Amino acid sequence: NAGVTQTPKFQVLKTGQSMTLQCAQDMNHEYMSWYRQDPGMGLRLIHYSVGAGITDQGEVPNGYNVSRSTTEDFPLRLLSAAPSQTSVYFCASSYSGGRAYEQYFGPGTRLTVT
Amino acid sequence: AQSVTQLDSQVPVFEEAPVELRCNYSSSVSVYLFWYVQYPNQGLQLLLKYLSGSTLVKGINGFEAEFNKSQTSFHLRKPSVHISDTAEYFCAVRSNTDKLIFGTGTRLQVFP
Repeated sequence: NAGVTQTPKFQVLKTGQSMTLQCAQDMNHEYMSWYRQDPGMGLRLIHYSVGAGITDQGEVPNGYNVSRSTTEDFPLRLLSAAPSQTSVYFCASSYSGGRAYEQYFGPGTRLTVT
Repeated sequence: AQSVTQLDSQVPVFEEAPVELRCNYSSSVSVYLFWYVQYPNQGLQLLLKYLSGSTLVKGINGFEAEFNKSQTSFHLRKPSVHISDTAEYFCAVRSNTDKLIFGTGTRLQVFP
């Protein structure tokens, strides 16, 4: 059981470039989400999904897109990178319903936009 | 609206000493509270949770927390810390849309 995996671990982008952060889980969890972690701000929810084909916006969705074509995968796309998107990105998954709060986190992707 | 305040950004402590990490919350729905821990260069993992029932909640690695409704607090405690407890600790509350709202984190640094 690999849990939640994220690739890449580190990435440097130039302003205006696009990229996709990959996230996969092998626990058959319905619920998946993306957070960003910034110093002094805790974790903020970017987008989430309650199942394949269903996604919704979180607290800070601007500049990011997601899709959920399978239960296992939940990629996060940066459309045109900006320095304000320099952050550590975490993917998380959980069962839905009453256990949606017991989230399992991936190891994170550290993104720098220059 | 729901919110979480972690009163200390950093807590330094010597090994084998007791520690308390403070968390206050604001919530307009049934309160669900959580503590997550993030070890260096890792993702977060659930330490303990309060959903209902006993106000004293025990978690992994010897940590416990007490839900205090009158003081709107959910402080995390450990009677004797180890070097390996050095990490960042996040308090979280359920939002009215069933999402997790995280505090800004408390960095626990344990010194030998």
